[in-house]
Amino acid sequence: QKEVEQDPGPLSVPEGAIVSLNCTYSNSAFQYFMWYRQYSRKGPELLMYTYSSGNKEDGRFTAQVDKSSKYISLFIRDSQPSDSATYLCATKGNEKLTFGTGTRLTIIP
Amino acid sequence: DTEVTQTPKHLVMGMTNKKSLKCEQHMGHRAMYWYKQKAKKPPELMFVYSYEKLSINESVPSRFSPECPNSSLLNLHLHALQPEDSALYLCASSQESPAYGNQPQHFGDGTRLSIL
Repeated sequence: QKEVEQDPGPLSVPEGAIVSLNCTYSNSAFQYFMWYRQYSRKGPELLMYTYSSGNKEDGRFTAQVDKSSKYISLFIRDSQPSDSATYLCATKGNEKLTFGTGTRLTIIP
Repeated sequence: DTEVTQTPKHLVMGMTNKKSLKCEQHMGHRAMYWYKQKAKKPPELMFVYSYEKLSINESVPSRFSPECPNSSLLNLHLHALQPEDSALYLCASSQESPAYGNQPQHFGDGTRLSIL
């Protein structure tokens, strides 16, 4: 079993829809949670960073962490074509980041 | 544009060549990282430098040789690479050592490396 499991997609939704991206993790030592967005031919861009259970909001993006069920989510409201990218969840316990496999998202105009 | 700058953006080299990848950050970050990313896969950690000292080597073959000349610069020296080493090589930095800090990592846009 991988330490971080992520729905692989691909996921296609119409413009304006709410997008839900999800990951589960198995290691209780993971304390910090991140979402990265990666456009084609670019490096991962940090979108959200949190270390507590609950919700964290930044504009159209909301990161949700449930440590009791080891579940992390990213919600995108009012999705735009510019949100089309691969989204990577990542967790950190001690020293290293552990990434999910990534979800490729396409927003259809 | 990212605050972690990598050069070159693209590199094609033969298996007998020697080349270097460069990474620079001016955010005052004390930890820098090299990752390898294959197509449709997440980044895989290769090396971590903390306060200019190598702190993690993920059992990377010796044909990859990292160097940290100062706190802002990170190099990856390449020699006698194999075709399977073709990938996107990403540099990242974080404010503090990953062992002590919880600061996130910030990535550059990578060097796309092709081995002929």
